[in-house]
Amino acid sequence: GQSLEQPSEVTAVEGAIVQINCTYQTSGFYGLSWYQQHDGGAPTFLSYNALDGLEETGRFSSFLSRSDSYGYLLLQELQMKDSASYFCAVLGFQKLVFGTGTRLLVSP
Amino acid sequence: DVKVTQSSRYLVKRTGEKVFLECVQDMDHENMFWYRQDPGLGLRLIYFSYDVKMKEKGDIPEGYSVSREKKERFSLILESASTNQTSMYLCASSYTESFNYGYTFGSGTRLTVV
Repeated sequence: GQSLEQPSEVTAVEGAIVQINCTYQTSGFYGLSWYQQHDGGAPTFLSYNALDGLEETGRFSSFLSRSDSYGYLLLQELQMKDSASYFCAVLGFQKLVFGTGTRLLVSP
Repeated sequence: DVKVTQSSRYLVKRTGEKVFLECVQDMDHENMFWYRQDPGLGLRLIYFSYDVKMKEKGDIPEGYSVSREKKERFSLILESASTNQTSMYLCASSYTESFNYGYTFGSGTRLTVV
């Protein structure tokens, strides 16, 4: 089976940097994805890491260490609109398995 | 703009009813998925399909079935709705070989079974 762990809630202030960690246990692994979901909205794709290392996309970066079964999402220059839930998800054979989500609250 | 469209945003059904949730995508994606989302439990996979007329059970298929007669349409069926199936249902689609583009999700159907 597969299981993922991520913190339930993180708080930060505008302009700060925040890191959301994700550890996973899986019987099959192709890569780690991150999704953002605003309240009442659909999850939207942020990033996908198949190989170890850091991937940067604008203010967001995602990191993967396959040997440690660990990844993180790094959000820089936080803005109020970044307040949302963030889900890590492991891509196994043919399907994504999601974590329970981290609620990020950004305050002024 | 690419889209996954779910037929209803909100739905209220009675216990024992047969319920159909419809999902249509316009991106020519091979794969389609049904998840349910509950507070504290994240997104859990119910069923998925990687081709027309093909279906695979996800992690929580009990009480559900699916139908995929056309590539663009994937239906979730609750054979006999129960109150524990009250949830947000999310449909998603993806290309088989383009993991870098992720899944595209619909806006969801909030189903209440009374």
